[in-house]
Amino acid sequence: GAVVSQHPSRVICKSGTSVKIECRSLDFQATTMFWYRQFPKKSLMLMATSNEGSKATYEQGVEKDKFLINHASLTLSTLTVTSAHPEDSSFYICSAQAGGSTGELFFGEGSRLTVL
Amino acid sequence: GDSVTQMEGPVTLSEEAFLTINCTYTATGYPSLFWYVQYPGEGLQLLLKATKADDKGSNKGFEATYRKETTSFHLEKGSVQVSDSAVYFCALSEMPNAGKSTFGDGTTLTVKP
Repeated sequence: GAVVSQHPSRVICKSGTSVKIECRSLDFQATTMFWYRQFPKKSLMLMATSNEGSKATYEQGVEKDKFLINHASLTLSTLTVTSAHPEDSSFYICSAQAGGSTGELFFGEGSRLTVL
Repeated sequence: GDSVTQMEGPVTLSEEAFLTINCTYTATGYPSLFWYVQYPGEGLQLLLKATKADDKGSNKGFEATYRKETTSFHLEKGSVQVSDSAVYFCALSEMPNAGKSTFGDGTTLTVKP
């Protein structure tokens, strides 16, 4: 199956700093990727849809200036958490859909962000 | 809008027990249905899928049948193992926005030896 890789898997940063998380499709091209946030023992909350070569589409309530998404190529999307605060601590997951699929998503391994 | 409702957890079973995790959905059209599994500290993996009514998805001993009449996609396994302990998510996607899936809240399964 298609492989999506996410990096870093864990990151700890100080409050006020910015953190970048990468999501790569390793063996297919992904014109669209999705970014989620998952709280402990909760489902995935879709944050935004990342479109290659254009602006991301953010879900209601998600601050686009706080969570910057860049999809510069068909195999890479990045999520930058700017001026991170402890309440931004969470598990962030990306996914992508391979071409010709019937809607199934391929997920990255997730990134655990801890803001001190 | 679309929605997915799945059985609340947590579910705790003994090894070799029979598993059922209920999932029902509402959708405006004819969605594809999925079960994803998340092991601790990891992202989600596709477990199985069904793309039309009466299709049965199966993988690793797990099965689910797409029931249009009851709008359900219940996950079953005849004999669970400790290694099946994980969180299971039911999801649907609809064309034309097939990649934007709707997820259930997840059901945590713990299998004890």
